[in-house]
Amino acid sequence: KNQVEQSPQSLIILEGKNCTLQCNYTVSPFSNLRWYKQDTGRGPVSLTIMTFSENTKSNGRYTATLDADTKQSSLHITASQLSDSASYICVVSAPGEYGNKLVFGAGTILRVKS
Amino acid sequence: KAGVTQTPRYLIKTRGQQVTLSCSPISGHRSVSWYQQTPGQGLQFLFEYFSETQRNKGNFPGRFSGRQFSNSRSEMNVSTLELGDSALYLCASSSGQGSTEAFFGQGTRLTVV
Repeated sequence: KNQVEQSPQSLIILEGKNCTLQCNYTVSPFSNLRWYKQDTGRGPVSLTIMTFSENTKSNGRYTATLDADTKQSSLHITASQLSDSASYICVVSAPGEYGNKLVFGAGTILRVKS
Repeated sequence: KAGVTQTPRYLIKTRGQQVTLSCSPISGHRSVSWYQQTPGQGLQFLFEYFSETQRNKGNFPGRFSGRQFSNSRSEMNVSTLELGDSALYLCASSSGQGSTEAFFGQGTRLTVV
């Protein structure tokens, strides 16, 4: 069964500190992996997207890594800000009959406090 | 260009009633997918419509149904509402062709009392 598991479930850090969120998946075959940020009560917004051949992708203070051999990805947030408080969702795309099928992780809830 | 628009943003219904949610995709996008999000469950896929046809369906009971119009706008209907249907309902639009990004709307927060 295709699954995406994220850890930790939730995390509290101090403003200015770094943190790393983990995503392990069993989805196969694999098209791409995305990290989304979802603010409370809003829709998810894409942060990064990586294909099979990419190992790392950055978007400002967000850096995602991908190890396709071990089926692991991480999202590293540098110098956290209060506005980083949100749910971070790992999404893996698998090719399906009608284009890609998205498999969602349950998300990591990050709270940045001052 | 305008993003994905979902209406209404908030809704309160009582058990047994039915509800219809609306989603207008990004202009030019032909695929609309619907998701249910509850605390601790993550996003659960409901169904996807492409060019007015349902082409993928998740594991939800028949009380959940949808449709898509010729202008790509989509509606989702839930009949005989249950307390457990309380959730954030999100729709995502994409061009629907090959490997494309899904753009999400703000969601409709449904509360069943």
